Amino acid sequence: QKEVEQDPGPLSVPEGAIVSLNCTYSNSAFQYFMWYRQYSRKGPELLMYTYSSGNKEDGRFTAQVDKSSKYISLFIRDSQPSDSATYLCAMSPFGNEKLTFGTGTRLTIIP
Amino acid sequence: GAGVSQSPSNKVTEKGKDVELRCDPISGHTALYWYRQSLGQGLEFLIYFQGNSAPDKSGLPSDRFSAERTGGSVSTLTIQRTQQEDSAVYLCASRTGTVNYGYTFGSGTRLTVV
Repeated sequence: QKEVEQDPGPLSVPEGAIVSLNCTYSNSAFQYFMWYRQYSRKGPELLMYTYSSGNKEDGRFTAQVDKSSKYISLFIRDSQPSDSATYLCAMSPFGNEKLTFGTGTRLTIIP
Repeated sequence: GAGVSQSPSNKVTEKGKDVELRCDPISGHTALYWYRQSLGQGLEFLIYFQGNSAPDKSGLPSDRFSAERTGGSVSTLTIQRTQQEDSAVYLCASRTGTVNYGYTFGSGTRLTVV
């Protein structure tokens, strides 16, 4: 079993919808949680990061961490066609530099 | 440059040949990482350099893989006697010493072993 599980999709939603992306994990040592966005043929770019449990909001994006359930989410409000990409969750124990990534969810926003 | 630069962007090589992949990190970034991205497998950590410290090589899959970082800047990932299972996108990332998780990734080298 992988340490981080992520539904690969693909996920297609109409423009303007709210998108929910999720990951589950098994390693209780994970403290730092990140979401990356990756466009085709490009490297991943950091969208959000949070430490421990709680919510963090940045514009149309909200990241949630529930450590008790070992479950993290990324919500995208008012989704746009430019949000079409692969979204990767990543996480790391405190003080450890190596990130463990999910396999990514491919998202398509339909105009 | 403004971003992390990787070369070549694409590499096709014959099984058994050696390949070198290059990474130019963002100027001033002290930490440099190599990851491998295979279809359906997500990103797999390979190696991490931080300043003058000994690199963390714990992710290298076999002794055919090696990496070096010269002068605290450019890094080269070498794969000897390539195998078909080495086919993947090899991604390099760098960050400053003061921002723990703000990796900046390059666009990667797409390696195909035929």
